[in-house]
Amino acid sequence: GAVVSQHPSRVICKSGTSVKIECRSLDFQATTMFWYRQFPKKSLMLMATSNEGSKATYEQGVEKDKFLINHASLTLSTLTVTSAHPEDSSFYICSAAYSNQPQHFGDGTRLSIL
Amino acid sequence: DAKTTQPPSMDCAEGRAANLPCNHSTISGNEYVYWYRQIHSQGPQYIIHGLKNNETNEMASLIITEDRKSSTLILPHATLRDTAVYYCIVRVGAGGGADGLTFGKGTHLIIQP
Repeated sequence: GAVVSQHPSRVICKSGTSVKIECRSLDFQATTMFWYRQFPKKSLMLMATSNEGSKATYEQGVEKDKFLINHASLTLSTLTVTSAHPEDSSFYICSAAYSNQPQHFGDGTRLSIL
Repeated sequence: DAKTTQPPSMDCAEGRAANLPCNHSTISGNEYVYWYRQIHSQGPQYIIHGLKNNETNEMASLIITEDRKSSTLILPHATLRDTAVYYCIVRVGAGGGADGLTFGKGTHLIIQP
């Protein structure tokens, strides 16, 4: 149980384009979803916290207009990287949580901006 | 959330028990100890968590000292697939809650054949 699916697993696109990443909780309803980013040889860093039906809360230094988060249902959250540039290249990972259960993570999306 | 300290790397022979230590000397009474691991190029995987009692599940055992200032994750029979970075995280609350997790640098466990 507690499976979180993330799509796509890898994306390569040109600078200036926007990229959407989906995070789904497959067998539970997630009251809260989280988005993290991980640069090579670094730890995961929390970007934002998303509750269904409300605006996401962004960590300090994360631009909310660049990283758009939509959490329209209890099983789906999306992260859109707008006007992506090479410095946005990273490993993006989501997690989902419900009730008093531990957070469970997706397998991540490797984003490469050329 | 309290800060944790872990050794940067450890080796363990395949088939042996892997014991991963974690110090969390500033832990508060309502903070739980969580363990996750991250295999290369994958998302973190939840392993186990506990408050003050020792815990065991199908993946591992968690031993928390009586003063709760440190803990040890035990993988009873390590296999090559257990090679990963292991993160010890301390946070308030038993569940996912409303707060994201703060990841430190973790311990890179390498299982040797």
